[in-house]
Amino acid sequence: DAGVIQSPRHEVTEMGQEVTLRCKPISGHNSLFWYRQTMMRGLELLIYFNNNVPIDDSGMPEDRFSAKMPNASFSTLKIQPSEPRDSAVYFCASSYNYVYTFGSGTRLTVV
Amino acid sequence: AQSVTQPDIHITVSEGASLELRCNYSYGATPYLFWYVQSPGQGLQLLLKYFSGDTLVQGIKGFEAEFKRSQSSFNLRKPSVHWSDAAEYFCSGGSNYKLTFGKGTLLTVNP
Repeated sequence: DAGVIQSPRHEVTEMGQEVTLRCKPISGHNSLFWYRQTMMRGLELLIYFNNNVPIDDSGMPEDRFSAKMPNASFSTLKIQPSEPRDSAVYFCASSYNYVYTFGSGTRLTVV
Repeated sequence: AQSVTQPDIHITVSEGASLELRCNYSYGATPYLFWYVQSPGQGLQLLLKYFSGDTLVQGIKGFEAEFKRSQSSFNLRKPSVHWSDAAEYFCSGGSNYKLTFGKGTLLTVNP
């Protein structure tokens, strides 16, 4: 089992550019989560999918953020336009029966 | 509001010494409780989980945690710390799909 796979591992982009983060969950896991980790705010849940359907997006900071899960094996988190305050580590996690498995994260730097 | 609190931001112990990391939760009902460990540049790895039943749970890497309802606590323990245990530790809890994470405790291990 390869675990939860995120890409890219690192992303440096200029303010105003579009950024797309990708996630492949573990096969058979029916829930997928996107988290953001910063020193100031810790781990924050951005959005939760269950069976590919967005259930709770109350953590998405603003309309610049969007997430999709077109099928059970792929999800994207998009920021458009990006801003320096979006710099953080973004984690994807999938779960089955409340046991979460996290990916290694994408470190995003917006300059 | 549901919350998880880790009172200690940073703990330093000597290799071979015992360890206890504190975690307190605030939920209306008994939540599912977890401890995760994060090494630098890595995602979160599940150490152990408590859903119900025996209040002393064993995890990987020699860790254990005890659920104490009367104290709303779920402290993580290890009898003898190894240098490789140096990492950040996160307590989390949830009563449904949504996990809430503590701010983390950074563990430093002195030789």
